[in-house]
Amino acid sequence: GAVVSQHPSRVICKSGTSVKIECRSLDFQATTMFWYRQFPKQSLMLMATSNEGSKATYEQGVEKDKFLINHASLTLSTLTVTSAHPEDSSFYICSARSNNEAFFGQGTRLTVV
Amino acid sequence: KNQVEQSPQSLIILEGKNCTLQCNYTVSPFSNLRWYKQDTGRGPVSLTIMTFSENTKSNGRYTATLDADTKQSSLHITASQLSDSASYICVVIPANQAGTALIFGKGTTLSVSS
Repeated sequence: GAVVSQHPSRVICKSGTSVKIECRSLDFQATTMFWYRQFPKQSLMLMATSNEGSKATYEQGVEKDKFLINHASLTLSTLTVTSAHPEDSSFYICSARSNNEAFFGQGTRLTVV
Repeated sequence: KNQVEQSPQSLIILEGKNCTLQCNYTVSPFSNLRWYKQDTGRGPVSLTIMTFSENTKSNGRYTATLDADTKQSSLHITASQLSDSASYICVVIPANQAGTALIFGKGTTLSVSS
């Protein structure tokens, strides 16, 4: 079946630095990918919808200048957390739809120290 | 408004027992409904997918049901194992809207104890 690969799985960074997370669809083309954030013991929350070749659509309350999304090709979307702060520490997951099915990346555990 | 509600929020059962998780949704039009298992610190993994016309589908010890008239789904776990401890998430995929995000329930946290 379709596979979505997310990298890195874990990252620790210092406050003020930026971190890039990659999401790749390995065997299908994804014109749309979705980025979610999950805090401990809470549900997945949609951050933004990434559209290939155009600007991402952000959910209310998500700062587009802080969470930069680039979807330059049909198989790759990236999320960059800029000027990271400890409160950005969370679990980030991407997903993509293929033939009305949804596939998830493995997730990235971000810790900002 | 498209919503997915799950119950119970959390559940503790003894190893070997059965349990049933519930999912009610208001998503329309509706393409399909999936149950996912999410282990701590991992991405969700699909257990079953139900389309509009399906009523029951099994995957090993997991059996999902769907009543499209009442917009309800359930996930039944038989003979639970310690490894079943996880969050179970009901996700509804809207129809004919490729750019529309998935509609997530908040999940049921299942703890299986020995």
